[in-house]
Amino acid sequence: DTGVSQDPRHKITKRGQNVTFRCDPISEHNRLYWYRQTLGQGPEFLTYFQNEAQLEKSRLLSDRFSAERPKGSFSTLEIQRTEQGDSAMYLCASSSATGVETQYFGPGTRLLVL
Amino acid sequence: GQNIDQPTEMTATEGAIVQINCTYQTSGFNGLFWYQQHAGEAPTFLSYNVLDGLEEKGRFSSFLSRSKGYSYLLLKELQMKDSASYLCAVRDTGGFKTIFGAGTRLFVKA
Repeated sequence: DTGVSQDPRHKITKRGQNVTFRCDPISEHNRLYWYRQTLGQGPEFLTYFQNEAQLEKSRLLSDRFSAERPKGSFSTLEIQRTEQGDSAMYLCASSSATGVETQYFGPGTRLLVL
Repeated sequence: GQNIDQPTEMTATEGAIVQINCTYQTSGFNGLFWYQQHAGEAPTFLSYNVLDGLEEKGRFSSFLSRSKGYSYLLLKELQMKDSASYLCAVRDTGGFKTIFGAGTRLFVKA
């Protein structure tokens, strides 16, 4: 078990560019979450997948954000036309739909929009 | 609305006991989590409460009162490595969405 992995770990981009992040959850976990975290704040929920189905998306998420989990395994989060306010840590977490359903977090992708 | 309140910062001495409080007002409740997050790292799971009462796990204990919308995390025999942010999080009734507080930064001094 290698835990949740995310790629890239760091991304610097210019305003207006598109970026895509990848998350590989723990292999037996069918639930996957994306969060955004800024300095001094807790993680903010963005979206949730159960297998390949996106079951909930935060109302705070603008149309520039889209997420996919095409085969119910890895997931991608794309931000189009990035803005400076998108600069944050993007965290992915996965969980199993049994028991306490603890979410295990990946190391995050730190995005800086210049 | 959805609101989770925790103190912003706390300082305690190595070897002591510290209690970090969390109050919440959420539209639904399906469990409360505590996570530890060291600077620059991802949150790691500490404890889970869904029923009222105290859950003990080694040096860490967590308490929940659903009627009061209140929880606390108790850390005993503090160590320098316990210096971190502690996040209180509530899972919504639907089971999907988890709402996090801003976290409490704990500084452990010698």
